[in-house]
Amino acid sequence: GENVEQHPSTLSVQEGDSAVIKCTYSDSASNYFPWYKQELGKGPQLIIDIRSNVGEKKDQRIAVTLNKTAKHFSLHITETQPEDSAVYFCAATSVSGFQKLVFGTGTRLLVSP
Amino acid sequence: SQTIHQWPATLVQPVGSPLSLECTVEGTSNPNLYWYRQAAGRGLQLLFYSVGIGQISSEVPQNLSASRPQDRQFILSSKKLLLSDSGFYLCAWMTGDSYEQYFGPGTRLTVT
Repeated sequence: GENVEQHPSTLSVQEGDSAVIKCTYSDSASNYFPWYKQELGKGPQLIIDIRSNVGEKKDQRIAVTLNKTAKHFSLHITETQPEDSAVYFCAATSVSGFQKLVFGTGTRLLVSP
Repeated sequence: SQTIHQWPATLVQPVGSPLSLECTVEGTSNPNLYWYRQAAGRGLQLLFYSVGIGQISSEVPQNLSASRPQDRQFILSSKKLLLSDSGFYLCAWMTGDSYEQYFGPGTRLTVT
């Protein structure tokens, strides 16, 4: 089945810096890769996603890149703000089951003012 | 627009007591529904998913069960809670033609 690895587990940056979180997946048949932001005590929120027919997608300060050959995808946050502090999860579709997502283990991002 | 509700928001239960968590979705029809558990500081573990009324698939053997009595209602239950059942329980939905999953606000369960 699909396996998703996520790095780093924690990331500390200064306000205004960029942050990059990376994920690798194992199954080349996976075709959908979402990113979620989870604030303390809340459910994860879908912030951006990318499908396997696209190499990059941007939405204001966040962007996601996908390298299908290397089987990895990354989340890029530019001009970070304190409100970006949260846990971020990547995920990939599981091709061994019906419309399921396999999640990474999460990255705790701390943006210091 | 679609919304997803979970209740209760928090719950403290003694070991051996029963459990019933409810999830409802509004604004969509025939969604796929999912139950996840998140231990403190950990990732998301898929427990159950459902593609329709009465159709439940279990991902992890445990003392929990799930039911889907109505199209937009998903219930997580246990007859006897264990200490290890403590965690943050999340319900999510997905439309049948998309992989986009949307999560509810979660239920924080503490088993004492």
